[in-house]
Formats: sequence, structure tokens, C-alpha cells
Amino acid sequence: DIQMTQSPSSLSASVGDRVTIPCRASQPISNYLNWYQQKPGKAPKLLIYAASSLQSGVPSRFSGSGSGTDFTLTIASLQPEDFATYSCQQSYSTPFTFGPGTKVDI
Amino acid sequence: QVQLVESGGGVVQPGGSLRLSCATSGFTFSSSGMHWLRQAPGKGLEWVSFIRFDGNNKYYTDSVKGRFTISRDNSNNTLFLHMNNLRAEDTALYYCAKDRDYYGSGFYWGQGTLVTVSS
Repeated sequence: DIQMTQSPSSLSASVGDRVTIPCRASQPISNYLNWYQQKPGKAPKLLIYAASSLQSGVPSRFSGSGSGTDFTLTIASLQPEDFATYSCQQSYSTPFTFGPGTKVDI
Repeated sequence: QVQLVESGGGVVQPGGSLRLSCATSGFTFSSSGMHWLRQAPGKGLEWVSFIRFDGNNKYYTDSVKGRFTISRDNSNNTLFLHMNNLRAEDTALYYCAKDRDYYGSGFYWGQGTLVTVSS
């Protein structure tokens, strides 16, 4: 199975900050990488697919980059509604696997 | 608008069985690959199973192989997960999800149904 790692597990930031969230795969996965946002008590929401494609309806302050084993989710200017947990997921091979998540808090 | 509504969760003893359902609307179900995923309390997300649009291909994560069966009813736009021989480690919020577009292109998620395996 492909292992996905995310570090740090949490980070503190302020409104207006530029935030970068890394994700690493245990083997090359090309661009088969998706990003999700999850708030407490809610289902995950797809933000980015294919490493860098913005899901329809997602604000343009979110962007994704990377290929192979190293990926990054960037929030250009953090907004109050962005405080949440962000998880990466590889879709290169089954079983699809997720990173443990990075919690962004104040 | 894609809608996915799970049901069928509850409390069950170890070794017991449950059948989860996912009622769908807002898209062409019979053309869509569908998944089940889960999240144990306070833990990360775990993919469980996939079924192709026509039901002809099914995949499972190793920990549920031989115990869980995914199925679908395209005439009623409904996805199922039959769970047998349940274990304490199967306790989780179970989500139904749709492929965003093609297989692997990301998931649209339902709100989940809670399964608790406890004596």
C-alpha cells in the first residue's frame, strides 16, 4: 500500500497568512493526488484534484502543486472559514490512502 | 446537485451484521463509480470499497475482504454495503461517496452513518 504522510499534524496561523501544507507519498504517484478540507462534525470537501486542479466552487485562494512524491496545498490568504483539517489522498492505486491530516488553527 | 444520504448504521455486537444504504440523487447514478469510506472516532479517513458503474468490478481494502460486500441497485439509485462478522475496529462513521468524474478524480461525500461495534 502507498503510505501518505503529512507533517506537521497541526499548525497555528492568523487570518491573512499564507499557509502551505505538505504531503508526501511513499512512492511516486504522478499527479494522482487529491486534497480535502474537513471541519468538525462535517464530511470532507474536495478542494483540489489531480494535484493542481481547483474543484468547481472552491475559492481561488486555494491551490495545489507537486508531482511524483511531494505535494503542497497552499492557502494564499487564510480566511476565518479556512480553519479546518486538510488531508491529502492518493488515487494512483487501490487501496486509496489518505494522509493523517494537518489541522490549521488560530 | 449531488445528494448522497446514508442510512442503516447503529450499534451491533461483535460478530454481528449490518447493511448500510446510500440513497442518491442529482446525477446519473447508473454511470457513476461509487465508494464507501470510513472514519473511526478521532482518526483519519480510510477508503473501504469501490464498485464500478455497472457493478462488474469491485475492490476492497484488505481488512474487510471476505466480510464486507458492496453492491448497487441502478434502478433505484441506491448503493449498499453489507457488513458481516463485525469487529470493534470497524466502529466508524461510514461515508458513501461518488467519483467526482472519472475513477480516482476525487470524492463527493455524503454525511455519513455511524456504526458502533460493541458488546
